Amino acid sequence: AQKVTQAQTEISVVEKEDVTLDCVYETRDTTYYLFWYKQPPSGELVFLIRRNSFDEQNEISGRYSWNFQKSTSSFNFTITASQVVDSAVYFCALNSGTSYGKLTFGQGTILTVHP
Amino acid sequence: GAGVSQSPRYKVTKRGQDVALRCDPISGHVSLYWYRQALGQGPEFLTYFNYEAQQDKSGLPNDRFSAERPEGSISTLTIQRTEQRDSAMYRCASSSTLTTSTDTQYFGPGTRLTVL
Repeated sequence: AQKVTQAQTEISVVEKEDVTLDCVYETRDTTYYLFWYKQPPSGELVFLIRRNSFDEQNEISGRYSWNFQKSTSSFNFTITASQVVDSAVYFCALNSGTSYGKLTFGQGTILTVHP
Repeated sequence: GAGVSQSPRYKVTKRGQDVALRCDPISGHVSLYWYRQALGQGPEFLTYFNYEAQQDKSGLPNDRFSAERPEGSISTLTIQRTEQRDSAMYRCASSSTLTTSTDTQYFGPGTRLTVL
């Protein structure tokens, strides 16, 4: 069975602060993919990143960076110099070789960035 | 290009009525997925299709829920005899290939269903 845990229910920061969203996953598969999605106040679900289990290289995209560590089964997401527009619910998700398209989502982290 | 579209965006219905939710995937995407998202939770898998074939419906909660994709493009999720517990956001996603275990799923804006 797959499981994704986002232990932080809500995070509140002031603009320009750095913030890290935690994601811990469980799977028995050796091949799997991890995702982050953003759900802004408007409600749509926006894809941010996909990583596969064989690539532990950290990824940076502008102010966003992702730290994948198989040893701790974690795939954490850091926003540097946060902005008000980053306010959203962020979901971590897992898809593995035996789940065939059934994305397993965490419960989400509500990020509020105050001006 | 156009993303996944869903209609209606909002649906309010009375308990006992049937509802049909529509999903139009990204053009050319062969796989289509349905999820349900309760307030304050992440989306939960309902069912998915490769082309017109329903591959997995293990997430459908009971036999009041059904889905079809007759021509391998647009899909309809139907809920018969709606109950208040069916109130949720229903999300559709599509992906470009048949390798569903690795593909990125792109989501539509969702349909917010409220059953009174």
